[in-house]
Amino acid sequence: ILNVEQSPQSLHVQEGDSTNFTCSFPSSNFYALHWYRWETAKSPEALFVMTLNGDEKKKGRISATLNTKEGYSYLYIKGSQPEDSATYLCALPNYGGSQGNLIFGKGTKLSVKP
Amino acid sequence: DTEVTQTPKHLVMGMTNKKSLKCEQHMGHRAMYWYKQKAKKPPELMFVYSYEKLSINESVPSRFSPECPNSSLLNLHLHALQPEDSALYLCASSQSGEGYNEQFFGPGTRLTVL
Repeated sequence: ILNVEQSPQSLHVQEGDSTNFTCSFPSSNFYALHWYRWETAKSPEALFVMTLNGDEKKKGRISATLNTKEGYSYLYIKGSQPEDSATYLCALPNYGGSQGNLIFGKGTKLSVKP
Repeated sequence: DTEVTQTPKHLVMGMTNKKSLKCEQHMGHRAMYWYKQKAKKPPELMFVYSYEKLSINESVPSRFSPECPNSSLLNLHLHALQPEDSALYLCASSQSGEGYNEQFFGPGTRLTVL
């Protein structure tokens, strides 16, 4: 089974700080990488799906990069706001991934203090 | 309509009961998923339906029985569950069952087995 690692497990930052966290995965048989945000008592929400080495995607203050050769993706949040507090999950399709059977990392729980 | 709905929100059942969880989407998606999420762990895939056919069963015990009556609906029939089956059950859908499609999640059903 595919091993998806996320670090750190949790992060506490002040409002206005910029932050980043990491998703690591085996670099062989890469197909796609998903980032989701999961706020407490809400549904997980897709942020990005990335497929190409060197991909960079941006949505507002959140951006992500992908390095498939070395097996990692970074998620960046610029100027964190309290509403960014959530668990950020990284996921990849299993079995080298033409199917949507995602394997999730354990997530990074972000808390932003006002 | 970009929503995945799930009913009920909460369910408490005994080990001898039979109950069903329901999931619905009207986005025209052709792939639907059931995930199980235990506290402080990431979601784990249970089943994938693609074009109304079961395409992946991740070795889930037969006391969980999925059904896809049409492309908008997904059910999970529960029978003779164990207390360790208590968890949040998430439904998701995507445009097709390919690994590069973002998945849209419902809010989940919180199941407690007594």
